[in-house]
Amino acid sequence: QKEVEQDPGPLSVPEGAIVSLNCTYSNSAFQYFMWYRQYSRKGPELLMYTYSSGNKEDGRFTAQVDKSSKYISLFIRDSQPSDSATYLCAMSDNQGGKLIFGQGTELSVKP
Amino acid sequence: GAVVSQHPSRVICKSGTSVKIECRSLDFQATTMFWYRQFPKQSLMLMATSNEGSKATYEQGVEKDKFLINHASLTLSTLTVTSAHPEDSSFYICSAGQGARETQYFGPGTRLLVL
Repeated sequence: QKEVEQDPGPLSVPEGAIVSLNCTYSNSAFQYFMWYRQYSRKGPELLMYTYSSGNKEDGRFTAQVDKSSKYISLFIRDSQPSDSATYLCAMSDNQGGKLIFGQGTELSVKP
Repeated sequence: GAVVSQHPSRVICKSGTSVKIECRSLDFQATTMFWYRQFPKQSLMLMATSNEGSKATYEQGVEKDKFLINHASLTLSTLTVTSAHPEDSSFYICSAGQGARETQYFGPGTRLLVL
């Protein structure tokens, strides 16, 4: 079993839809949770960072962490074609330490 | 956000040659940098952790004599793929931590193709 599980998709939605991306994990020591967006042939770009459980909102993006269920989510409201990319969840058990990545979910937003 | 650069962005080389990839933190000092490899349609796999002024820490299964890492300053780490072979062809990405913040910022990646 992988430490971090993420459905690779692909996920295709119409423009304007609400997108829900999820990851599950097995290591209860993880405390730092991140979502990265990666466009084709580019490096990952940090979207959201959350410490421990709770919600965090930034514009159209909302990150949720449920440590009791070992489950994290990223919601994208009013999705745009420019949101089409691969979304990677990542997590760590210590500050500035090694990140464990999910496989990434490929998202396509159709105009 | 913090900016991390990589050079070159793409390199094609013959089998048996060595290739050096540079990773720079442009607007902050990074005591720790990380090197990842990513194959098509797969996630990032950590290769090694690079600490300024000390030896790199390699992940299990990564040959330290093949992937030489040097972290000469707080803004520069280099990865040298020695005697590259076609199976080393991949997308190599570095990241750097920004001081006390618990996040990593990634470079744009270097695409290596070994013929």
